[in-house]
Amino acid sequence: GAGVSQSPSNKVTEKGKDVELRCDPISGHTALYWYRQSLGQGLEFLIYFQGNSAPDKSGLPSDRFSAERTGGSVSTLTIQRTQQEDSAVYLCASSPGRLRNTIYFGEGSWLTVV
Amino acid sequence: AQTVTQSQPEMSVQEAETVTLSCTYDTSESDYYLFWYKQPPSRQMILVIRQEAYKQQNATENRFSVNFQKAAKSFSLKISDSQLGDAAMYFCAYRSAGINDKIIFGKGTRLHILP
Repeated sequence: GAGVSQSPSNKVTEKGKDVELRCDPISGHTALYWYRQSLGQGLEFLIYFQGNSAPDKSGLPSDRFSAERTGGSVSTLTIQRTQQEDSAVYLCASSPGRLRNTIYFGEGSWLTVV
Repeated sequence: AQTVTQSQPEMSVQEAETVTLSCTYDTSESDYYLFWYKQPPSRQMILVIRQEAYKQQNATENRFSVNFQKAAKSFSLKISDSQLGDAAMYFCAYRSAGINDKIIFGKGTRLHILP
């Protein structure tokens, strides 16, 4: 597609429920990133996929968070047993590859846990 | 691990004036990239300017320019002739040129433009 696409754009869920957030990167981009941005805060790195390499999961805050990337394209970020502190905007970004330095962001998924 | 620090949580500038946003970073690497991103209320992250560490010349994009001081690990953004549309959150970011090239962001500076 023309840009990085994320869905849903807004999600309200009850505490304890699981949620899935989807990211469709720009076609051909090998690198994919997930970041979390709490209200008025900076971007917190969550996870990074680069081609067929093992993902860098060092930013995932707990084992309730997981992500996968199927076929080197679409990625899903799953949050199990959501907590109120999970409320944030979840931003996805993609990049053409290791030696291409610009990354492109989606518009984010705003998650509210009530 | 690399870190990026933006020491100014908020700044204000009069329309048409010039403002400089500060950013420092910490790394042991010699080859990397630096970026400034803008995030308006729409939430969309927009690349403002980028700099390759191996280039000594400061990057410039129209009214936006950087002052890159590699030895001091400083990467400030200057906005000239500020416009109302420049009001946004600005993030400084670091990206390694090595194997793990995830991007690290600072906490951001909120820029207000005063009419």
